[in-house]
Amino acid sequence: DGGITQSPKYLFRKEGQNVTLSCEQNLNHDAMYWYRQDPGQGLRLIYYSQIVNDFQKGDIAEGYSVSREKKESFPLTVTSAQKNPTAFYLCASRSAPRQPQHFGDGTRLSIL
Amino acid sequence: GESVGLHLPTLSVQEGDNSIINCAYSNSASDYFIWYKQESGKGPQFIIDIRSNMDKRQGQRVTVLLNKTVKHLSLQIAATQPGDSAVYFCAENRGDTGMRALTFGSGTRLQVQP
Repeated sequence: DGGITQSPKYLFRKEGQNVTLSCEQNLNHDAMYWYRQDPGQGLRLIYYSQIVNDFQKGDIAEGYSVSREKKESFPLTVTSAQKNPTAFYLCASRSAPRQPQHFGDGTRLSIL
Repeated sequence: GESVGLHLPTLSVQEGDNSIINCAYSNSASDYFIWYKQESGKGPQFIIDIRSNMDKRQGQRVTVLLNKTVKHLSLQIAATQPGDSAVYFCAENRGDTGMRALTFGSGTRLQVQP
């Protein structure tokens, strides 16, 4: 079945540590997205990529970094510069502007 | 800035009743709208979408209505079931931003009472 796979499901970060969240899709979609969701709130855009080797900052990019070396993969690194990283992180992809985004099942990041 | 918002944070209905979830948007350049359902600990799941050249679209037990005059979107769920309990988000796609991400509202929690 085609879909988006995020791993790990749960992740813990120590102070001063960088952690990387994985996102893989086999939908052959060009565009991929990372969102952050805080309790009781909507989704906020961190980064997005419309094509391999290209990505743009979203609304809350500070403290995060991404790469897009392969069409299928869009990993997100939460750096030590992100002072409040505890949240639910969602990865999505889509094929065209007037098509829905498809989401993975998220990674929950917490601070140790 | 311009954003998508919702009128009601929580909606409680009886099993078997119809549910209506509302959403207001303010961006006149938005040309495509989507409703998502999110269950606890999971990613949002696509329910139904509608393009701005339509007023109504029906799916299985769900209907989306779009009123561009007042910039209002609604999701109607017929014969609501316990499995419909979740948070529902509306999202808009701005026609002038290409493949940039959707803008999401803050969500409405639907609680179905047995």
